[in-house]
Amino acid sequence: EAQVTQNPRYLITVTGKKLTVTCSQNMNHEYMSWYRQDPGLGLRQIYYSMNVEVTDKGDVPEGYKVSRKEKRNFPLILESPSPNQTSLYFCASSLKGVQPQHFGDGTRLSIL
Amino acid sequence: GIQVEQSPPDLILQEGANSTLRCNFSDSVNNLQWFHQNPWGQLINLFYIPSGTKQNGRLSATTVATERYSLLYISSSQTTDSGVYFCAVSSSGTYKYIFGTGTRLKVLA
Repeated sequence: EAQVTQNPRYLITVTGKKLTVTCSQNMNHEYMSWYRQDPGLGLRQIYYSMNVEVTDKGDVPEGYKVSRKEKRNFPLILESPSPNQTSLYFCASSLKGVQPQHFGDGTRLSIL
Repeated sequence: GIQVEQSPPDLILQEGANSTLRCNFSDSVNNLQWFHQNPWGQLINLFYIPSGTKQNGRLSATTVATERYSLLYISSSQTTDSGVYFCAVSSSGTYKYIFGTGTRLKVLA
C-alpha cells in the first residue's frame, strides 16, 4: 500500500531534549516536505527536499533541521526543542515538486 | 511572498445542499492543490489543478490562473464532507508551498 509513515504519532517531552520525527515513503517520490499546523494559522512549510541531498527552507525553518540521505526518508530534527514548537506536524511527499502531495497521518508534539 | 486567502472561513450546510469555496492568490503559481482535512486530522488530496477544470464525483474544481483564483464546488453535500478544506499554492519558479487558512465546513444531517 502506498503510504507516508510518520513516527512517533504522539510525543510529550521537555525543553532542550533533542528529538527526531521520522518520515518514510514507499512511492519512490523525489519531493518530500515537512509542515506544522497551528490553530488559526493553517499549515506552514518548514523544510522541503527536491531529491537526495537537496533541501531548502520553507516559511518557518527556525529551530529545525532536516536531512535527506536516502530517497525514502526525510527526518525532522529538533536539536533543542522549545514550547513554541508544540504543534501538529505533517510529512508529505510527491513524485515531483509540482505534483499532488500525499500526507502522513501527523505527529502531535507537546514540549513542556 | 505570495498570499493565499480562502473564503468563507466557516460554512454550515444542510445535507444535500451545494456549496462553493474560494481560494484567491496574489501572484502567478505553478501549482495549486485542494485538500480535505477530515475530523480525524487526516489530509487528503482532492485536486491538483494549476489551471482548468476537473471533476471527481460530487466534487469539482476550477482554477482561473490569469485572474488568480480557484473554486471548489461540493454538490449534494453529505455529513462525511465535514472538515476543513485547504488550498495550497507554489509560486512560479519555486517549490515552496503556501497554504490558505482553510474553510471549515459542517454538514448537518
